[in-house]
Amino acid sequence: DVKVTQSSRYLVKRTGEKVFLECVQDMDHENMFWYRQDPGLGLRLIYFSYDVKMKEKGDIPEGYSVSREKKERFSLILESASTNQTSMYLCASSLSLATNLGTYEQYFGPGTRLTVT
Amino acid sequence: TQLLEQSPQFLSIQEGENLTVYCNSSSVFSSLQWYRQEPGEGPVLLVTVVTGGEVKKLKRLTFQFGDARKDSSLHITAAQPGDTGLYLCAGVSGTSYGKLTFGQGTILTVHP
Repeated sequence: DVKVTQSSRYLVKRTGEKVFLECVQDMDHENMFWYRQDPGLGLRLIYFSYDVKMKEKGDIPEGYSVSREKKERFSLILESASTNQTSMYLCASSLSLATNLGTYEQYFGPGTRLTVT
Repeated sequence: TQLLEQSPQFLSIQEGENLTVYCNSSSVFSSLQWYRQEPGEGPVLLVTVVTGGEVKKLKRLTFQFGDARKDSSLHITAAQPGDTGLYLCAGVSGTSYGKLTFGQGTILTVHP
């Protein structure tokens, strides 16, 4: 079974702090994703990565950055946390086009509920 | 930007009732996935449909992909309290590089 783990289930940070959210997958997936989930807005893509050191902006990248130094690990960084970044953050991974036959099923971690006060 | 409109947004029913959730778009998707998410957890993949007109069954859940691959539906027969959760549809386009377009989700509550 694919396993995607996230470093924290709950996190409380203060405005202006630098926040690191870590995600690790154990299935050798090429693609990794960071989403935030807010009531009524669904899942919105922040950043994704299709290979080590490769990243692309998603729909809402402002205020976030990412790092992928190893294939299994994808980090989301909030450079200076703000209250409007209070949300549920979900990490996911999937196989690449070459090995996926185009279906791209994503496997999600349990989420990190971040509160910025 | 591709959009997936999911309806209804909320569904509250009694145990034993049937229900259908719809996922519609003006865009064509190469495949479509359905996920279920329980409170405090990440979404879990239920099924992927790939071929236009395809129907897949998972116990009491029936998934259908529209002939034109622009829409999909999830039908649950004889709902049970254990079916309670958030249901999400997600589409893959041919050029999405692995990105999914998610619907807004349907929150289903099944009362005993």
